[in-house]
Amino acid sequence: NAGVTQTPKFQVLKTGQSMTLQCAQDMNHNSMYWYRQDPGMGLRLIYYSASEGTTDKGEVPNGYNVSRLNKREFSLRLESAAPSQTSVYFCASSSGTSGDQGDEQYFGPGTRLTVT
Amino acid sequence: AQSVTQLDSQVPVFEEAPVELRCNYSSSVSVYLFWYVQYPNQGLQLLLKYLSGSTLVKGINGFEAEFNKSQTSFHLRKPSVHISDTAEYFCAVYGNKLVFGAGTILRVKS
Repeated sequence: NAGVTQTPKFQVLKTGQSMTLQCAQDMNHNSMYWYRQDPGMGLRLIYYSASEGTTDKGEVPNGYNVSRLNKREFSLRLESAAPSQTSVYFCASSSGTSGDQGDEQYFGPGTRLTVT
Repeated sequence: AQSVTQLDSQVPVFEEAPVELRCNYSSSVSVYLFWYVQYPNQGLQLLLKYLSGSTLVKGINGFEAEFNKSQTSFHLRKPSVHISDTAEYFCAVYGNKLVFGAGTILRVKS
């Protein structure tokens, strides 16, 4: 039981390049989330998905797109990376069916992204 | 809307000493409260949570927290810390959305 897995672990992009961060969970959870973590700012929600086929914006969605490919997988895409998107990105999942962030969330190990 | 303030960005403490990490929140609705821990180069994991009932909540690894509604606080405590407790600790509050504090780095020294 791997929990929540993320790929890649590290990535360096040049401004304007695109990439997709992958996330998968094997806990049969309904809700999945993408956060970014910046020093001194805690975690901020980018997008979430309450169930397969649905996605909603979080606090900081600009510059990102997401896809809930199936119940297990939730990807985050940067279409045209900017230096302001340098951050550590975490995927999380929870068992709730409504994207209710009040459920316990299980986090992946993170992707450290640098945009130059 | 909710907000969370973690009053200390870093807390250095010697091994086997007690520690308290402070968290205050504001919300116009009833809240759930959480403490998450992040060990170096890892994701966050839940330490403990308050949903309702007893205001003293016990979590993993000997940590506990007390919900104080009148002071809108949810401070995390451990009576005796270990080197392995060195990590960053996040307080989070859920009213209609989950809001994380900025984090407190606990450094345990030998």
